Amino acid sequence: EPEVTQTPSHQVTQMGQEVILRCVPISNHLYFYWYRQILGQKVEFLVSFYNNEISEKSEIFDDQFSVERPDGSNFTLKIRSTKLEDSAMYFCASSVTSGANYGYTFGSGTRLTVV
Amino acid sequence: QQPVQSPQAVILREGEDAVINCSSSKALYSVHWYRQKHGEAPVFLMILLKGGEQKGHEKISASFNEKKQQSSLYLTASQLSYSGTYFCGTAPQGAQKLVFGQGTRLTINP
Repeated sequence: EPEVTQTPSHQVTQMGQEVILRCVPISNHLYFYWYRQILGQKVEFLVSFYNNEISEKSEIFDDQFSVERPDGSNFTLKIRSTKLEDSAMYFCASSVTSGANYGYTFGSGTRLTVV
Repeated sequence: QQPVQSPQAVILREGEDAVINCSSSKALYSVHWYRQKHGEAPVFLMILLKGGEQKGHEKISASFNEKKQQSSLYLTASQLSYSGTYFCGTAPQGAQKLVFGQGTRLTINP
């Protein structure tokens, strides 16, 4: 069964450092998403991406965050200057069509720890 | 905008039934249900697109009442493997993203 692949599985970084989280969505999926989940809490929407541009973003997704699809397969989330409160599990997801119409496939996540 | 789930937690014995509810203050186009086991990614269970629709997945089924802006997930004759946190995700018409509820932790004991 096709999978969404995320790397690394765990990253520890110092406050103020830049991190890049990587995702390889399922190849025939057209919509891509980043969500995050602070330990034990709800899954929060960060950004959706379609046709090589951001289609929607949340208030969490401020100027410190950016997304790219640099090579047609990878989908990256960059946090420019990490803060302690950025510590969370970050999930990439993809879907064939708009998420309202089709289920998401989530990757296994990257646990980001900011110290 | 975030849907509200109830109850927050359920503890059952194997073989018992459970209902998890999801309510939204906004008109909905679709409702998704996902299950997340500890330390793992959420896994898609089912999507409901029409008002009054009911769908099934093994012994897990769901209904969607469009007028009431509510969905319910039914787990019958629960198995140990059903343990996890269940999230509903909702989307209004035209939306691309899902907004998830706070989750319902289901514990199944032998």
